[in-house]
Amino acid sequence: GQQVQQSPASLVLQEGENAELQCNFSTSLNSMQWFYQRPGGSLVSLFYNPSGTKHSGRLTSTTVIKERRSSLHISSSQTTDSGTYLCALDNTNTGKLTFGDGTVLTVKP
Amino acid sequence: GALVYQYPRRTICKSGTSMRMECQAVGFQATSVAWYRQSPQKTFELIALSTVNSAIKYEQNFTQEKFPISHPNLSFSSMTVLNAYLEDRGLYLCGATNANSDYTFGSGTRLLVI
Repeated sequence: GQQVQQSPASLVLQEGENAELQCNFSTSLNSMQWFYQRPGGSLVSLFYNPSGTKHSGRLTSTTVIKERRSSLHISSSQTTDSGTYLCALDNTNTGKLTFGDGTVLTVKP
Repeated sequence: GALVYQYPRRTICKSGTSMRMECQAVGFQATSVAWYRQSPQKTFELIALSTVNSAIKYEQNFTQEKFPISHPNLSFSSMTVLNAYLEDRGLYLCGATNANSDYTFGSGTRLLVI
């Protein structure tokens, strides 16, 4: 089965609403990273968060290893937050990142 | 900060020809470089992982004969798609890390094969 599962697959919000994106994994974890993929394809690293909670502006990432999940919370969403959010993990300590299929977020004005 | 410049951003090649893409790491040492392909269906496939002073490890379904990679130093890597065909189209991304598994990605090279 798929090692990294993201949910929801897509999400539509009104500007100002909050978003909660989930990443569940079926294996042990050495590293977890959240990315934002711009419409043109480039990946922007949002968080490197193998455990615990990290904050960056309106974004919060929480990884709970024993529950094998990581979440990305976006507060007060803006139209510019629209795009694809990907989680990726390294479960083998080899440096190989396995990506989830992503959550496509659309924020409407 | 850590940056990875990838070029070209977009390329079109005729079926059966080859194209080369390059990545330059700035602001950190790219101990490992991973090359991915994102298919039109949006899934990410790891092509190979290259670590300086180690053999390049290709994933199943990808070979050195088809995707030769060069990683000569801690700031540069290149990959060539040899004999490209329609199924090779997609977005190719290089990601680099200085061995702590915190990856920085380039902007991608979108390959169109005609």
